[in-house]
Amino acid sequence: KAGVTQTPRYLIKTRGQQVTLSCSPISGHRSVSWYQQTPGQGLQFLFEYFSETQRNKGNFPGRFSGRQFSNSRSEMNVSTLELGDSALYLCASSLAGGLSEQYFGPGTRLTVT
Amino acid sequence: GESVGLHLPTLSVQEGDNSIINCAYSNSASDYFIWYKQESGKGPQFIIDIRSNMDKRQGQRVTVLLNKTVKHLSLQIAATQPGDSAVYFCAENKAGTYKYIFGTGTRLKVLA
Repeated sequence: KAGVTQTPRYLIKTRGQQVTLSCSPISGHRSVSWYQQTPGQGLQFLFEYFSETQRNKGNFPGRFSGRQFSNSRSEMNVSTLELGDSALYLCASSLAGGLSEQYFGPGTRLTVT
Repeated sequence: GESVGLHLPTLSVQEGDNSIINCAYSNSASDYFIWYKQESGKGPQFIIDIRSNMDKRQGQRVTVLLNKTVKHLSLQIAATQPGDSAVYFCAENKAGTYKYIFGTGTRLKVLA
């Protein structure tokens, strides 16, 4: 069974630009959660999608948004990039959303210059 | 604000020795805890979890201890192997909420 895949794996953007990251969950998983990981803050929850609906949201500004498609694939968008957005963005999929059931992808390393 | 394990120390252990990784949590309302392992270039991997109605839980070569009095969580790895080298971090959650708090972790280095 294929794991969670994320594309691209690495990305370099300039301040003010926007970026879209993609996540393909494990087949059959309907929940996709997104996290931001930085050395100083650790893992921080961005949002969770289940059956194309945002079910939960963390404490991030509106510049961070996402969506989920009917095939459960999910995208995350960050607009008006700031230097502080440089991080590893991880997505995790699960059948129903439980933290212990989540399988993480390898992440997308975003660098904002 | 609330935090879990802000520091990222490094723990170096000899292969075959036992490892103990610690985590402090600040939200006394948290009742569910998870330990993750994250290898370089990979996403976090679930290792073991524990609920607040327990103070100890064992898995294969791993044991998690929970001390609610001092809000402390530890992960014990028996007979540490080179493949155990990774960053380990804990997470806490209050049941029924999506308020997850993750620590920054501890880097475990296994010396041959």
